[in-house]
Amino acid sequence: GQNIDQPTEMTATEGAIVQINCTYQTSGFNGLFWYQQHAGEAPTFLSYNVLDGLEEKGRFSSFLSRSKGYSYLLLKELQMKDSASYLCAVLDSNYQLIWGAGTKLIIKP
Amino acid sequence: ETGVTQTPRHLVMGMTNKKSLKCEQHLGHNAMYWYKQSAKKPLELMFVYSLEERVENNSVPSRFSPECPNSSHLFLHLHTLQPEDSALYLCASSQAEETIERNPETQYFGPGTRLLVL
Repeated sequence: GQNIDQPTEMTATEGAIVQINCTYQTSGFNGLFWYQQHAGEAPTFLSYNVLDGLEEKGRFSSFLSRSKGYSYLLLKELQMKDSASYLCAVLDSNYQLIWGAGTKLIIKP
Repeated sequence: ETGVTQTPRHLVMGMTNKKSLKCEQHLGHNAMYWYKQSAKKPLELMFVYSLEERVENNSVPSRFSPECPNSSHLFLHLHTLQPEDSALYLCASSQAEETIERNPETQYFGPGTRLLVL
């Protein structure tokens, strides 16, 4: 079967750095997405990786290793507004999005 | 209005009621989706409409009935629901590629309808 694994919850301190991991086993791979979802709001697109390596976008970076079936989202200089759930999703060989359950990130002052 | 909107934002209904959820996208996209989001579970894809034709329903119970009258509007008709159907129902849209060489279709989500079935 297809599976996306990410931690259920993480806690970090304002101003620090946090890394949210995602591992996947899917039938084929056509890219990996990260979405951010604040409580009671819509998921919003953060990043898309299809090639190995690190993609940096401001305070957020996303890394992919296709051989390891692994990605991470790195958040730097954490702010209170970064408290949210972070969803990992993989596009499989049929171009269907397979979603993880999300990681709830709690930022403490 | 911009982006993807959904109404109502909250809905409480009994098991014998009939209600409809509405989604509208203002992005000029040609594909729309219904998802179910339950606490601590992955998003579950319910229905996909691409170019106004339904392409997948993932064996969703018949008490959920989608309707897509045009590329900008999507409905989810609900009847005789069960308490376990209580969840956040999210609508999304994307621009589906019509060429063989597919590019990633980033999905844009609405804020969801929080449904409680009593």
